Amino acid sequence: DIQMTQSPSSLSASIGDRVTITCRASQSVSSYLNWYQQKPGKAPKLLIYAASSLESGVPSRFSGSGSGTDFTLAISSLQPEDFATYFCQQSYSTVTFGGGTKVEIK
Amino acid sequence: QAQLQQSGPGLVKPSQTLSLTCAISGDSVSSNSAAWNWIRQSPSRGLEWLGRTYYRSKWHNDYAESVKSRITINSDTSKNQFSLQLNSVTPEDTAVYYCVRVDSGCLRDWGQGTLVTVSS
Repeated sequence: DIQMTQSPSSLSASIGDRVTITCRASQSVSSYLNWYQQKPGKAPKLLIYAASSLESGVPSRFSGSGSGTDFTLAISSLQPEDFATYFCQQSYSTVTFGGGTKVEIK
Repeated sequence: QAQLQQSGPGLVKPSQTLSLTCAISGDSVSSNSAAWNWIRQSPSRGLEWLGRTYYRSKWHNDYAESVKSRITINSDTSKNQFSLQLNSVTPEDTAVYYCVRVDSGCLRDWGQGTLVTVSS
């Protein structure tokens, strides 16, 4: 199985901050990398697919980059509704997820 | 966009079988582009893919190695739904279980989640 490692596991940030989350794959997944946001008691929601494509309806402050084994999710200006947990997921070989990054209010 | 509605018990006894069903609206379980997955989430194991069923001229199933000996995913075209059976459960199988529609590798549509507790 392809292992996905996210960092950090948690972070504290203020409204308006730029936030970046990284995801590393144990082997190349090309651009088969997606990012999700999850709020308490809810299912994850797709934000970014194919490493850098914004899902329809997702604010443009979210962006993704990377290919191969190293990927980044960025939030350009953190908003109150962005405090949540974020997961990466590879679809190169079945499905595996990163461990998650919890974004908390500073 | 598809809507997925899960049903099934929230409490299962150890050694028994966990059974969940996912009813699909807005798509077909026989779709040639989608795959129908089960994923679970627990504090100890995080998000864990369990398996999928999909139709590409014939039915296919794939299962995670961690549960391969205990899992069955079936489709029911007459009811447009798919199901999960997990045998010989232990407390480690306690989790929130989700049914998920996947297309182009993206988990776009999720069921509401079912918390299944394994306890006597």
